[in-house]
Amino acid sequence: DVVLTQTPVAQPVTLGDQASISCRSSQSLVHSNGNTYLEWYLQKPGQSPQLLIYKVSNRFSGVPDRFIGSGSGSDFTLKISRVEPEDLGVYYCFQATHDPNTFGAGTKLELK
Amino acid sequence: QVTLKESGPGILQPSQTLSLTCSFSGFSLSTYGMCVGWIRQSSGKGLEWLANIWWNDDKYYNPSLKNRLTISKDTSNNQAFLKITNMDTADTATYYCARRAYTYYGFWGQGVMVTVSS
Repeated sequence: DVVLTQTPVAQPVTLGDQASISCRSSQSLVHSNGNTYLEWYLQKPGQSPQLLIYKVSNRFSGVPDRFIGSGSGSDFTLKISRVEPEDLGVYYCFQATHDPNTFGAGTKLELK
Repeated sequence: QVTLKESGPGILQPSQTLSLTCSFSGFSLSTYGMCVGWIRQSSGKGLEWLANIWWNDDKYYNPSLKNRLTISKDTSNNQAFLKITNMDTADTATYYCARRAYTYYGFWGQGVMVTVSS
């Protein structure tokens, strides 16, 4: 199975700061069709996960442009510029290139 | 708009079979590229992908559950189902269904809590 390693486990931030989360895969996430199915989800306390980014760098409808996904192959990053209170929660990367699909263990974005 | 809602028994005993239903609206599982997936989350833990069923009835499972999973759908009634046999206390979790429009899970249900206890 593909293992997604997220770092850090927790990211203390001050509102208005930038945050960066890494997701490294145990193998390349480039599909045979040329697409890279790497997604980012945010789970706020007491809520279901919500999609932020798909195919590495595409923001889902309604997601603010302060969320930026980047990367290629097996190394991916989610950057959040100017963190706002509604950005706090646990961020998960997810790959759907290989079966079984797998999630990273999560990164908790929390206030300092 | 797209909505999904999970339903299940709430509590069951070890060795029983869990039957979950995902009732959805705003899309059809007979439309090209559509998929419903099941994901679970144990209390305070991370997310675990369980299974997907696609518009063409292709099914994919997490092999870590060792053939205990069966996913199915009723396109006419806009429902998807997940059965897990031989439930154990380790299967206690919140179970989510989500719509995958080919490349992402854009819509999720609220989740249903399932407790396995004797």
